[in-house]
Amino acid sequence: GAVVSQHPSRVICKSGTSVKIECRSLDFQATTMFWYRQFPKQSLMLMATSNEGSKATYEQGVEKDKFLINHASLTLSTLTVTSAHPEDSSFYICSAIAGISSTDTQYFGPGTRLTVL
Amino acid sequence: GESVGLHLPTLSVQEGDNSIINCAYSNSASDYFIWYKQESGKGPQFIIDIRSNMDKRQGQRVTVLLNKTVKHLSLQIAATQPGDSAVYFCAENRGGATNKLIFGTGTLLAVQP
Repeated sequence: GAVVSQHPSRVICKSGTSVKIECRSLDFQATTMFWYRQFPKQSLMLMATSNEGSKATYEQGVEKDKFLINHASLTLSTLTVTSAHPEDSSFYICSAIAGISSTDTQYFGPGTRLTVL
Repeated sequence: GESVGLHLPTLSVQEGDNSIINCAYSNSASDYFIWYKQESGKGPQFIIDIRSNMDKRQGQRVTVLLNKTVKHLSLQIAATQPGDSAVYFCAENRGGATNKLIFGTGTLLAVQP
């Protein structure tokens, strides 16, 4: 199947700093990428939808100025957590799809564990 | 609000037994459903999917059943193995231009040797 990678896999940062997480589709061009957040023992919550070359669409309650998303190419999207605080500590997961149909499979990355001290 | 939910948060089965994980959804407009497996510390892994015009689909050791009348989805795993231990999520795609997935709350499947 298609491969989606994330970097870094784990990051620990101090409160107030910014952290950038990369999501890459390795063997296909992604028309759309999604960013999710997952707290321990909870489900995945969609944060935003990202299309190459256009502004991301954020879900209700997600601060777009805090979670900056850049989708510069068909294989790369980045999520920057700005001025991170301990409550931002979470597991961040991206996914990507190659097509535009509702039945196109979403391929997920391995996730990035963010810990804010 | 509308949501996808699961009946059982934890399911414990003996190795070799069959497992059934259930999911209820509330949006009758959803046209595509997917089951994902997530192991600890990893991203979700696609297991099987089903479109709304079907009521059953089989894969290798897995079967998904869709009952649109009662808005119910189930994942059956045959001859459950220790490697099947994970959290299982159902997700629905409500179609439209966004292709957003709405995830259920998840079921932890624990396989006892």
